[in-house]
Amino acid sequence: EAGVAQSPRYKIIEKRQSVAFWCNPISGHATLYWYQQILGQGPKLLIQFQNNGVVDDSQLPKDRFSAERLKGVDSTLKIQPAKLEDSAVYLCASSLVAWGEKSTEAFFGQGTRLTVV
Amino acid sequence: AQSVTQPDIHITVSEGASLELRCNYSYGATPYLFWYVQSPGQGLQLLLKYFSGDTLVQGIKGFEAEFKRSQSSFNLRKPSVHWSDAAEYFCAVGASGTYKYIFGTGTRLKVLA
Repeated sequence: EAGVAQSPRYKIIEKRQSVAFWCNPISGHATLYWYQQILGQGPKLLIQFQNNGVVDDSQLPKDRFSAERLKGVDSTLKIQPAKLEDSAVYLCASSLVAWGEKSTEAFFGQGTRLTVV
Repeated sequence: AQSVTQPDIHITVSEGASLELRCNYSYGATPYLFWYVQSPGQGLQLLLKYFSGDTLVQGIKGFEAEFKRSQSSFNLRKPSVHWSDAAEYFCAVGASGTYKYIFGTGTRLKVLA
């Protein structure tokens, strides 16, 4: 079974530039997550999709971050403009879940390491 | 609100020694609990999970964890650590209904030869 695919693996940009990350979840997984992991910290949820609808984006800095999930499959996360404090690993995860199912687990991609200089 | 606390930022053990990584959670209902491991430059790999039933859960790579509701804990254990276990370990709690996962800050494990 193919895992969660993310690209690019690494990205270096200057502050105030824009950047986009792409995620292809495991086939059939209804739920997709984007996490931000700053060095030395645990992953922090940015946004959670159920199919192509947003379930939770309470911690997404909406003035600069945006995300979409195309046709309930692939997803892109964009930062515009980037700040120095956005330097982190951006992890995408997916899980096979539908409303009412009791148990699931999230499968993670390898992440995109963003450095803002 | 949900939260996860991993009190130990760093732990160092000798190869062959036993290991216990602590995790405490705060959640109003029965939680879904997970332990993930992250090697340098890699994504997170699931070690084990607890949803219901037997409170002692077996995982991959010889790890196990015990859910103790009275202590709000889900500690990870391994009887004999291998050098390849050196990594960062994250405890996470999942909310039923929303399937939102909250992660702890992680424990970095160092293994001495």
